[in-house]
Amino acid sequence: NAGVTQTPKFQVLKTGQSMTLQCAQDMNHNSMYWYRQDPGMGLRLIYYSASEGTTDKGEVPNGYNVSRLNKREFSLRLESAAPSQTSVYFCASSDNIPPYEQYFGPGTRLTVT
Amino acid sequence: AQSVTQPDIHITVSEGASLELRCNYSYGATPYLFWYVQSPGQGLQLLLKYFSGDTLVQGIKGFEAEFKRSQSSFNLRKPSVHWSDAAEYFCAVEGSNDYKLSFGAGTTVTVRA
Repeated sequence: NAGVTQTPKFQVLKTGQSMTLQCAQDMNHNSMYWYRQDPGMGLRLIYYSASEGTTDKGEVPNGYNVSRLNKREFSLRLESAAPSQTSVYFCASSDNIPPYEQYFGPGTRLTVT
Repeated sequence: AQSVTQPDIHITVSEGASLELRCNYSYGATPYLFWYVQSPGQGLQLLLKYFSGDTLVQGIKGFEAEFKRSQSSFNLRKPSVHWSDAAEYFCAVEGSNDYKLSFGAGTTVTVRA
């Protein structure tokens, strides 16, 4: 049982390049989430998906797009990377039964130069 | 919308001493409350959660937390700290009708020998 997996673990991009972060979960959860973690700011929600086929903006969605490919997979795309997007990105999933406990992946450390 | 404040950015504690991490939340009704721990370079692991019932909840690794509605607090405690408890700790709140977690900025715990 792998839980939540993320690829890649590390990535360096140049300003303006694009990339997609992949996330998959094997817990049959309905909801999936993307967060970014910056020093002194905790985790902030970028986008979430409450069920297959739906996505909604979180607190900091600008510069990102997401795709809920199927129930297992939720990807995060940076179309034109900026240095301000240098961060650690976490994917999480939860079922739709309260209290919606979220399980986190190991993270992707992204540097934009 | 809910929010979380962790007043202490950094705490240093001696091995074997007790530890208390503070968390205050803002939410109109009874929220779901969580404490997560993040070891360096790792993802987030759930320590414990509260959503109803007994206000003193037990978690993994010997941690406990007490929900105090009158103080809007959910402080984390451990009676005797081990060197392996050095990590960053995040308090999070979730609305009872909302899938989204709001995180505090985190408290870094250093354990000295």
